[in-house]
Amino acid sequence: QQQVRQSPQSLTVWEGGTTVLTCSYEDSTFNYFPWYQQFPGEGPALLISILSVSDKKEDGRFTTFFNKREKKLSLHIIDSQPGDSATYFCAASERGSALGRLHFGAGTQLIVIP
Amino acid sequence: EAAVTQSPRNKVAVTGGKVTLSCNQTNNHNNMYWYRQDTGHGLRLIHYSYGAGSTEKGDIPDGYKASRPSQENFSLILELATPSQTSVYFCASGDLGNSDYTFGSGTRLLVI
Repeated sequence: QQQVRQSPQSLTVWEGGTTVLTCSYEDSTFNYFPWYQQFPGEGPALLISILSVSDKKEDGRFTTFFNKREKKLSLHIIDSQPGDSATYFCAASERGSALGRLHFGAGTQLIVIP
Repeated sequence: EAAVTQSPRNKVAVTGGKVTLSCNQTNNHNNMYWYRQDTGHGLRLIHYSYGAGSTEKGDIPDGYKASRPSQENFSLILELATPSQTSVYFCASGDLGNSDYTFGSGTRLLVI
């Protein structure tokens, strides 16, 4: 059973546009939701994260939104740049548990066209 | 700088052969993880460890073994490699109670 569902699988946007990636999750115990960014040939790296006590977190051009009632989260990238072209993974976990295991979505491959 | 280092970066193995993928971390993290990444499946957890001497099965452990001889090192072992194990493998480390992972750069494995 997939704990975290992510869409779309791939996305192409024009430079300067807004990118929106979405995820949903099942487990109500999840309280921590990071997004990872992966460039070709590299491992994923933490991009931005949000705790369930918040509904929005911004970091420059990147904003993540969280809706606890609907069990959904999203990543918005404004003024998308060719350098943002990468694969993005959402994830979820029960932060504070001994394992702290992350459950990853299947990823979204983003291409930003100049 | 704290890091996760994987070796080798690329590996070609013969079907039925034994393959060992190595991972070393300098983050002093308790937890370590092995994932494989395949198109359409994202990151799937194979094995993980809470600390030296411990290994646990992840979501897709069949055909794989793991070894954690020290805090710093975590190996993934394919005793009898099969073509279905052709993939990109990532190691990650994380601190106890903290869900943020540091990933290595990956090992690309081709089983022929």
